[in-house]
Amino acid sequence: DSGVTQTPKHLITATGQRVTLRCSPRSGDLSVYWYQQSLDQGLQFLIQYYNGEERAKGNILERFSAQQFPDLHSELNLSSLELGDSALYFCASSIRQGRDEKLFFGSGTQLSVL
Amino acid sequence: GENVEQHPSTLSVQEGDSAVIKCTYSDSASNYFPWYKQELGKRPQLIIDIRSNVGEKKDQRIAVTLNKTAKHFSLHITETQPEDSAVYFCAASKYNQGGKLIFGQGTELSVKP
Repeated sequence: DSGVTQTPKHLITATGQRVTLRCSPRSGDLSVYWYQQSLDQGLQFLIQYYNGEERAKGNILERFSAQQFPDLHSELNLSSLELGDSALYFCASSIRQGRDEKLFFGSGTQLSVL
Repeated sequence: GENVEQHPSTLSVQEGDSAVIKCTYSDSASNYFPWYKQELGKRPQLIIDIRSNVGEKKDQRIAVTLNKTAKHFSLHITETQPEDSAVYFCAASKYNQGGKLIFGQGTELSVKP
């Protein structure tokens, strides 16, 4: 168990809809990262939040947004869903060991857009 | 942008044999190279990592080597066991961006008893 909690585990919805994925990082971790895993794109970094503020952005679509709350949990909002958004969405938090920042993933949310 | 190429995409070995997975990165500023193991339906799990100032690191049956000049790094698994069967991902990141990983496409390793 990585200590990173994601809900829900599975989500089935229809095209055009909006969903919210939730993540709680490990206790004490200030950073939250969101990754998308799909068959065609592989594992891709979407966005990072650190202590409530956006720190880095990757290949995140404009239809997607995220935020991190004062209690450090994070939500990833996906809107105007398309079939191609079906994927496994992972949240991760990190621990710094020396100069290295090691990433630990949650169990993921499997999103199916029908 | 930065790219990480991983080979092979699939690898089948007999139990007890060694397995080697290779990755090449494009951004010379990359300096942190973790490897993740992902079992079917599970989360990626960090199994070993290496920094650019180290050429080799070993942890029991797994080892990683890094050739910074050639911009490639490899995962070596010795004495493979059926429970090593999984998808393995290499990744790279830059200093102070450790969590922003660029992943390879993955290698599906199958260890046959």
